[in-house]
Amino acid sequence: NAGVTQTPKFQVLKTGQSMTLQCAQDMNHNSMYWYRQDPGMGLRLIYYSASEGTTDKGEVPNGYNVSRLNKREFSLRLESAAPSQTSVYFCASSESRANTEAFFGQGTRLTVV
Amino acid sequence: LAKTTQPISMDSYEGQEVNITCSHNNIATNDYITWYQQFPSQGPRFIIQGYKTKVTNEVASLFIPADRKSSTLSLPRVSLSDTAVYYCLVGNSNYQLIWGAGTKLIIKP
Repeated sequence: NAGVTQTPKFQVLKTGQSMTLQCAQDMNHNSMYWYRQDPGMGLRLIYYSASEGTTDKGEVPNGYNVSRLNKREFSLRLESAAPSQTSVYFCASSESRANTEAFFGQGTRLTVV
Repeated sequence: LAKTTQPISMDSYEGQEVNITCSHNNIATNDYITWYQQFPSQGPRFIIQGYKTKVTNEVASLFIPADRKSSTLSLPRVSLSDTAVYYCLVGNSNYQLIWGAGTKLIIKP
């Protein structure tokens, strides 16, 4: 049972480049989330998907887009990367949006130069 | 949205019981209290969740007084592998949770 799988684990982008972070869960969870974590800080919610077919903005959505491809997969896209988006990105899932027991992936460390 | 206040860091020794207290003065009636653990270079991991009184599982206990304005995570007989950052969160859904900087717990031999 893999849980939540994120790819890639590391990425370096040049300013202005685009990329998509992939996330998949095998727990049949309805809700999925994308967070970012900056050094020494807690997580901040970027976007979430309460259920398949829906997405909503979180605390820091600017500069990002998401796609809930199916129940398993939730991707995060940076259309034009900026140095301020250098961070560690975590994908998570939970049974429902009201369930605060979330399962997290191992993270993607993104550096924008 | 309820914010939480917890110590920035704590030290303890192997074999000791560690208690981390979290303050959440503006907790709402339908909010739960949830604790996560995070090791370096890993995603957070759920530890325990409670609403009132005491909750215990195989790794920790959570004590919540009647007014629910604070909570205490208790880790029995800690080991070096318990060195991590611990987050206290208050809310009733994942998209409402506010993650502070957490408490960095260092366990010494």
